[in-house]
Amino acid sequence: TQLLEQSPQFLSIQEGENLTVYCNSSSVFSSLQWYRQEPGEGPVLLVTVVTGGEVKKLKRLTFQFGDARKDSSLHITAAQPGDTGLYLCAGGSNYQLIWGAGTKLIIKP
Amino acid sequence: KAGVTQTPRYLIKTRGQQVTLSCSPISGHRSVSWYQQTPGQGLQFLFEYFSETQRNKGNFPGRFSGRQFSNSRSEMNVSTLELGDSALYLCASSRGQGDYGYTFGSGTRLTVV
Repeated sequence: TQLLEQSPQFLSIQEGENLTVYCNSSSVFSSLQWYRQEPGEGPVLLVTVVTGGEVKKLKRLTFQFGDARKDSSLHITAAQPGDTGLYLCAGGSNYQLIWGAGTKLIIKP
Repeated sequence: KAGVTQTPRYLIKTRGQQVTLSCSPISGHRSVSWYQQTPGQGLQFLFEYFSETQRNKGNFPGRFSGRQFSNSRSEMNVSTLELGDSALYLCASSRGQGDYGYTFGSGTRLTVV
């Protein structure tokens, strides 16, 4: 059974701090996707990484795919209250996505 | 372009009833997936349809079923509702395998009383 483990499960920090969220598996994925979800809404795709070692930047967010395509990280620099939400990672494999349980992030002003 | 549209947005049903939820994907997207999301279980995959064929199915009982029409619109049906079926039901669409990302709708919040 393929599993994606996200850590930490919950993170509450002050505005301006940096943070990193991790997504780990023992399985190899063809792609790794990161989503952010706000309460009562569907997840919104932030980025997709497909190549081992790939790094993508989206303003203050930096996403990295592990060399072996088994893990990924999301780093946020100078977090802002607008970054608050549930961050989900999902690995693409054989026509379906394997989802992590999510990291609930709260940025306090 | 229009996003993924799910209707209704909110629904309250009684135990034992059945319910049908609708999803209109982004124009040109042929794959539609359905998920159940609850605070305790997170996102649980229900099934995925591509060009009117069910391509993948999660571990849900037979009370959960779905279909896709020729215009890619999809419906899911839950029969004999149970209290535990209360959840946010999400629909997501993509062009093909979804390896490059899915677009989700806002979901249908189903409450079973």
